Amino acid sequence: QQPVQSPQAVILREGEDAVINCSSSKALYSVHWYRQKHGEAPVFLMILLKGGEQKGHDKISASFNEKKQQSSLYLTASQLSYSGTYFCGTEITDRGSTLGRLYFGRGTQLTVWP
Amino acid sequence: DGGITQSPKYLFRKEGQNVTLSCEQNLNHDAMYWYRQDPGQGLRLIYYSQIVNDFQKGDIAEGYSVSREKKESFPLTVTSAQKNPTAFYLCASAGRGWNTQYFGPGTRLTVL
Repeated sequence: QQPVQSPQAVILREGEDAVINCSSSKALYSVHWYRQKHGEAPVFLMILLKGGEQKGHDKISASFNEKKQQSSLYLTASQLSYSGTYFCGTEITDRGSTLGRLYFGRGTQLTVWP
Repeated sequence: DGGITQSPKYLFRKEGQNVTLSCEQNLNHDAMYWYRQDPGQGLRLIYYSQIVNDFQKGDIAEGYSVSREKKESFPLTVTSAQKNPTAFYLCASAGRGWNTQYFGPGTRLTVL
């Protein structure tokens, strides 16, 4: 049930764009995105609830393709502050109901250089 | 200030000793969670509780125990049966609805 994130790591220059993907083998109810700085707690970025829904947070946005059971996180014009590890958390459905918990991917390490 | 607190930030224990990690929240959240984080492994769920006096095992519950006697508190005990307890432990809570989880600052446990 653990979603698969890709790529594992990304290195960018300030101002460049990046896409992080999250793919599940199970039907999804929702997808949650978090960012974690080294040694700190993960910070909630956004949640996507419906198929095709796109949300934005500053220059960070995400999409959710319910049919393909995947979500993508888009970081445009990246800033130094975007550096960190990004996790997707998925809430799966099982016979029509959710389990009240998230399954997290292994994370994508993003490094932005000046 | 509303939030989730975990104490202590760093904890050292000798092998074979049980240790209890504290997690408190004043967000009035119903659900609480414990995760373990190891390098390259992501967040792995140990135990979770959606209501007082009830909890469920997560994916790696062996060697751990929890209690949920109060809504605000969800302590985790790492027992001597846990074979490799050195890790970063994160507690989270979520309100009703979309299961958006908010994390505490974490406790880094080192067993010597």
